[in-house]
Amino acid sequence: SAVISQKPSRDICQRGTSLTIQCQVDSQVTMMFWYRQQPGQSLTLIATANQGSEATYESGFVIDKFPISRPNLTFSTLTVSNMSPEDSSIYLCSVAEGQETQYFGPGTRLLVL
Amino acid sequence: ELKVEQNPLFLSMQEGKNYTIYCNYSTTSDRLYWYRQDPGKSLESLFVLLSNGAVKQEGRLMASLDTKARLSTLHITAAVHDLSATYFCAVDRNTDKLIFGTGTRLQVFP
Repeated sequence: SAVISQKPSRDICQRGTSLTIQCQVDSQVTMMFWYRQQPGQSLTLIATANQGSEATYESGFVIDKFPISRPNLTFSTLTVSNMSPEDSSIYLCSVAEGQETQYFGPGTRLLVL
Repeated sequence: ELKVEQNPLFLSMQEGKNYTIYCNYSTTSDRLYWYRQDPGKSLESLFVLLSNGAVKQEGRLMASLDTKARLSTLHITAAVHDLSATYFCAVDRNTDKLIFGTGTRLQVFP
């Protein structure tokens, strides 16, 4: 099974600033995703991080707010831009490979003041 | 649009009792996942169900999938306190993109 790490594990940020979250996988994977979990809620897919091309965003999420990079098959970053308190959430990356289950990273807990 | 509903949203059960969590989804999908999340933690994969009639069991948990009814169940047998957590089902939109259910918060008390 894939081992996923995320940095930072948590952060407290001021509104109007930006935070970049890193996701590192211990093996090469084809599919990487970013999810958001708002307090007390379920998970919502933000985007698919495509290696070598622009990310594919879900409805309600835009590149200007959540720019994503995927320079290779083991690493991706998600930036939360111009943050507001509504962006306070847990951000999780996940990977999928074949018919196996999807594995989730430990998450980044973000609080915006 | 694919929608995934779970019920109940909250379940308080006594140790030793049995109960079932239900996951209904609105459009065709042949892959369904169950995850567990402890407070402040990430998601732990429990089961992935790949075909109609699939049944998987691990300890006190058993998951099944009926693709014709668009229904999956997570059955808890003889609950213990360690099973207290939030359980999510998630449906694959045939692109590895997961749509999550609302979650079921389970509390097991003595």
